[in-house]
Amino acid sequence: DGGITQSPKYLFRKEGQNVTLSCEQNLNHDAMYWYRQDPGQGLRLIYYSQIVNDFQKGDIAEGYSVSREKKESFPLTVTSAQKNPTAFYLCASSLGMVTNYGYTFGSGTRLTVV
Amino acid sequence: AQSVTQLGSHVSVSEGALVLLRCNYSSSVPPYLFWYVQYPNQGLQLLLKYTTGATLVKGINGFEAEFKKSETSFHLTKPSAHMSDAAEYFCAVIPPGYGNKLVFGAGTILRVKS
Repeated sequence: DGGITQSPKYLFRKEGQNVTLSCEQNLNHDAMYWYRQDPGQGLRLIYYSQIVNDFQKGDIAEGYSVSREKKESFPLTVTSAQKNPTAFYLCASSLGMVTNYGYTFGSGTRLTVV
Repeated sequence: AQSVTQLGSHVSVSEGALVLLRCNYSSSVPPYLFWYVQYPNQGLQLLLKYTTGATLVKGINGFEAEFKKSETSFHLTKPSAHMSDAAEYFCAVIPPGYGNKLVFGAGTILRVKS
C-alpha cells in the first residue's frame, strides 16, 4: 500500500546537536511538507517542496533545514539554532498544485531535547 | 492573514450523544475546507472535505459537516458519539490564492464519556 513513512518514531537530542528526521513517500506525490505540532497550537508549517530540488520556507523555518534530492524523500534537519525543538513533527504529501485532495500524513516523529 | 478558529479546545460528550465541533474561517472568498482526526501519537487522517458543490459533506465514521458561507463556518457533527471517536480534531483550510498550503486550527480534543 502507498503511504508516507516517518522515522524514527521517537528521537532524543542533546543540546547543541543537529538531528535529521526522515520522511519517505511512495504515493508519487509531487509536493511534500513538514509541520510542527505543539499542544494547543495546531500544526505550523516549517518547509514545503513542490518539486525536486526546490523548497520554500513556511511560517516557522528558523532553525530548520531541508533537502529534496529525490521525489520520494524530504528529510528535515533540526539544527542547534532551533531553541525549542521539543515537539511532534509531521510530514505530509499531496498531488502538488491540485488543491482539493488534501494531504496524506505520516505517523510523526516525537523529538525531545534531553 | 487567513485564520481558522476552532471554538473550544476540549469538548466532552456522553456516548450516544450528538457531537458538534465548531470551525470558523476568516475569508471573504470561500476556501477549501477540511476536517482531520488525530489519535494519540499518530498522524492526521482526513475525515471529510468541502471544495465545491453540495454544502453538506459526508465523511468517514459517520461524521458530516456543513459549509455555511453566510456564517463562514464549517462545523463538524455526528449524531451519536462512540467511545472510539475520542481523539483530537483539526479544521483546516486552503485559502484562495495560497497554492496548496493547508492552514490549521488549534484543534479540539473530543472526550467521550461512558
